[in-house]
Amino acid sequence: GEQVEQRPPHLSVREGDSAVITCTYTDPNSYYFFWYKQEPGASLQLLMKVFSSTEINEGQGFTVLLNKKDKRLSLNLTAAHPGDSAAYFCAVSVSSNTNKVVFGTGTRLQVLP
Amino acid sequence: EAAVTQSPRNKVAVTGGKVTLSCNQTNNHNNMYWYRQDTGHGLRLIHYSYGAGSTEKGDIPDGYKASRPSQENFSLILELATPSQTSVYFCASGDIGDQDTQYFGPGTRLLVL
Repeated sequence: GEQVEQRPPHLSVREGDSAVITCTYTDPNSYYFFWYKQEPGASLQLLMKVFSSTEINEGQGFTVLLNKKDKRLSLNLTAAHPGDSAAYFCAVSVSSNTNKVVFGTGTRLQVLP
Repeated sequence: EAAVTQSPRNKVAVTGGKVTLSCNQTNNHNNMYWYRQDTGHGLRLIHYSYGAGSTEKGDIPDGYKASRPSQENFSLILELATPSQTSVYFCASGDIGDQDTQYFGPGTRLLVL
């Protein structure tokens, strides 16, 4: 079955620096890809979803890159601020029409002032 | 936006006791999920459901049962709780038509003594 590896498990950056989190997956038929943010003690909130090959999506202060050829998904926080301190999880759909996803093990990001 | 609620939010149980975790969603989503979150493992799927009356085993179903009596409600049942089931449990809902996106509840923190 699908396996998702997420790196790094912990990341500490200074305010204003960039932070990059990467996930690799194994199933070439995976269809939808997600990034979730989890603040301490809180639930998971959807940051962004992508589904086209080699897609770059820009959100508020972050960029998501999907490369289906390399089976790699990345989240780049372009200028991190303390409010970005949280755990981030990638998720990959097992296949279309099942609504099941496999989660990465998470990255705990700390942004220092 | 999706509205998924869970009860209780915190629970202390004794080994061998029965625990029921409840989840309610008001989005009229067909699919619902139970995950547990443990450090180093990310989110792991316990049980899921495609609609009222249906339950399916996820990746780690042993020691858990599920019940979906209605579209809105999905319960996770620990018949004989064990300390290894101490964890944070998340419920989620979603629909295939929403590109496999899942929306999460606030979580239930369970401690089994």
